[in-house]
Amino acid sequence: AQKVTQAQTEISVVEKEDVTLDCVYETRDTTYYLFWYKQPPSGELVFLIRRNSFDEQNEISGRYSWNFQKSTSSFNFTITASQVVDSAVYFCALSEIYGGATNKLIFGTGTLLAVQP
Amino acid sequence: DVKVTQSSRYLVKRTGEKVFLECVQDMDHENMFWYRQDPGLGLRLIYFSYDVKMKEKGDIPEGYSVSREKKERFSLILESASTNQTSMYLCASRRDRVGEQYFGPGTRLTVT
Repeated sequence: AQKVTQAQTEISVVEKEDVTLDCVYETRDTTYYLFWYKQPPSGELVFLIRRNSFDEQNEISGRYSWNFQKSTSSFNFTITASQVVDSAVYFCALSEIYGGATNKLIFGTGTLLAVQP
Repeated sequence: DVKVTQSSRYLVKRTGEKVFLECVQDMDHENMFWYRQDPGLGLRLIYFSYDVKMKEKGDIPEGYSVSREKKERFSLILESASTNQTSMYLCASRRDRVGEQYFGPGTRLTVT
């Protein structure tokens, strides 16, 4: 069965520190997508990144970077030089691709990141 | 920009009331979803729809129904609200089968 585990419930850092949010997933399929979403205090989930299972290249976008390792079934998210505006709940999600009308996202339970000034 | 709107940010209803939560997207997306979010449980899928008048149960459909009469609108219905349905409800839409989902701002429903 599909499963996404975000073992870190809460993380607190001081501004300018680097922080890594862990995501471990389980799936039997060889073809799937992984996602990260950010949920700021306003409540709306914001899409950050999508990665398919055939692309293990790490990705960097400004202060954000993602490390995808199929060997360990992990898709970790690092924020470099954290800022107070990064304070949010971050969700990792998995989507399998299979026959049918559509496919579903399975979310982890989220990691609350608090960046202190 | 994709825009997903939900009819209310906050809603308070009494036990036994019928509750309608509305969601509208403006990007002609095929797929729409309803989730509920509870502390420690993350997001759980209630129902989704991949076309007009088409719907499928998600992981926790009990006590809920949905309606999709037009492509842009997806409604979640609580036939007889109960206190255990107090939660944050999030609507999302997606263009195709495998892309990212875009979320609305959420409706925080309290059932007393």
